[in-house]
Amino acid sequence: EAQVTQNPRYLITVTGKKLTVTCSQNMNHEYMSWYRQDPGLGLRQIYYSMNVEVTDKGDVPEGYKVSRKEKRNFPLILESPSPNQTSLYFCASSDRTGGIEAFFGQGTRLTVV
Amino acid sequence: ELKVEQNPLFLSMQEGKNYTIYCNYSTTSDRLYWYRQDPGKSLESLFVLLSNGAVKQEGRLMASLDTKARLSTLHITAAVHDLSATYFCAGLRSGKSTFGDGTTLTVKP
Repeated sequence: EAQVTQNPRYLITVTGKKLTVTCSQNMNHEYMSWYRQDPGLGLRQIYYSMNVEVTDKGDVPEGYKVSRKEKRNFPLILESPSPNQTSLYFCASSDRTGGIEAFFGQGTRLTVV
Repeated sequence: ELKVEQNPLFLSMQEGKNYTIYCNYSTTSDRLYWYRQDPGKSLESLFVLLSNGAVKQEGRLMASLDTKARLSTLHITAAVHDLSATYFCAGLRSGKSTFGDGTTLTVKP
């Protein structure tokens, strides 16, 4: 089954404690992306990756890091989380070459206290 | 920088009626997506539109793209309660993705 898998689904952490949200896709997609969704602010792109070892900033990259060492994985790293990073996070993947639909992960609800 | 504006933001309609959601974007976009999101759920891809004049249909939903007007529309035909959800359009330009604010659709009996 084609899917994008995020872990964990829910996470409560404390300010400053490094965390990683994993994202994995099984469709051999080149393109992967991270978004955060906040009430009143909609969905905003954090980082995206057009292929292995190629990453670029989206609209809200501050406080986040990503890496793309393998095609299937695109982890999101918060080195020193702060309360303003409390949000719902989505990972997505798609084939960048054609009109193929994008697949989204189930989401990770992160609370930073 | 690509900006995407959706309207209306909220839409309440009766079953059986037709309506259109509009998505205007500010500059050239490589492709235009439509998504659906149910409360508490992830996003589900509905359509991806690549070129001017593209039209795609699935059930009661039809999406179209006019690149000259920088406008995409999502037309709902004979709405049913199951279509109640939030619908987003999103433009993709050089890998960067920009979403509209979403249209929350409520279909009433």
